Amino acid sequence: EVQLVQSGAEVKKPGESLRISCKGSGYSFTSYWISWVRQMPGKGLEWLGRIDPSDSYINYSPSFQGHVTISVDKSISTAHLQWSSLEASDTARYYCARHKTGTTDWFDPWGQGTLVTVSS
Amino acid sequence: QSALTQPASVSGSPGQSITISCTGTSSDIGAYNYVSWYQQHPGKAPKLMIYDVSNRPSGVSNRFSGSKSANTASLTISGLQAEDEADYYCSSYTSSSTYVFGTGTKVTVL
Repeated sequence: EVQLVQSGAEVKKPGESLRISCKGSGYSFTSYWISWVRQMPGKGLEWLGRIDPSDSYINYSPSFQGHVTISVDKSISTAHLQWSSLEASDTARYYCARHKTGTTDWFDPWGQGTLVTVSS
Repeated sequence: QSALTQPASVSGSPGQSITISCTGTSSDIGAYNYVSWYQQHPGKAPKLMIYDVSNRPSGVSNRFSGSKSANTASLTISGLQAEDEADYYCSSYTSSSTYVFGTGTKVTVL
């Protein structure tokens, strides 16, 4: 079974750093991109960026570039999303998704999401 | 990159058909056939329903279909069922090599 399993919920203070993870299994991890998507409370989906695990090439959304960092450790089939200095506005659920591109384009499956709460 | 525009809500009675629109620009929906649709039930992760405008993944009911005309994509749900009540989001690849999601549509089964 193809699945992405994300790390657990986090509660942090403004200014703190954080790294959340997304572990893929059941498929060739380096054959698909991993995309990250934000969903703020009661709001819609926003694409943050993607990484190609085969060579660590990264695409960021201009809206998030410079505020988050995407990385990957292909030896353990895990992608990461990290912040060096969290803000209250980073409070959201973050999803990773397996992302196929080329002659087709889709996000499937999605991880269960990681809830990040930033509060003083 | 602004979000694609979807109606906030669409409703229908069981058995009816409904259509959700997703309007973008000539730099996203109008430029590529890389439109996909996702269903999200409350508290759950999104699920792929349609990809590449009109293709249905294995396991997704054939009651779901997709199409595109110019800068607008559409998702049609026929034979509406109670289990279809959820939020639906469109997504498109863009000319900036990024992706944009729609504003989301809440589907209510009356």
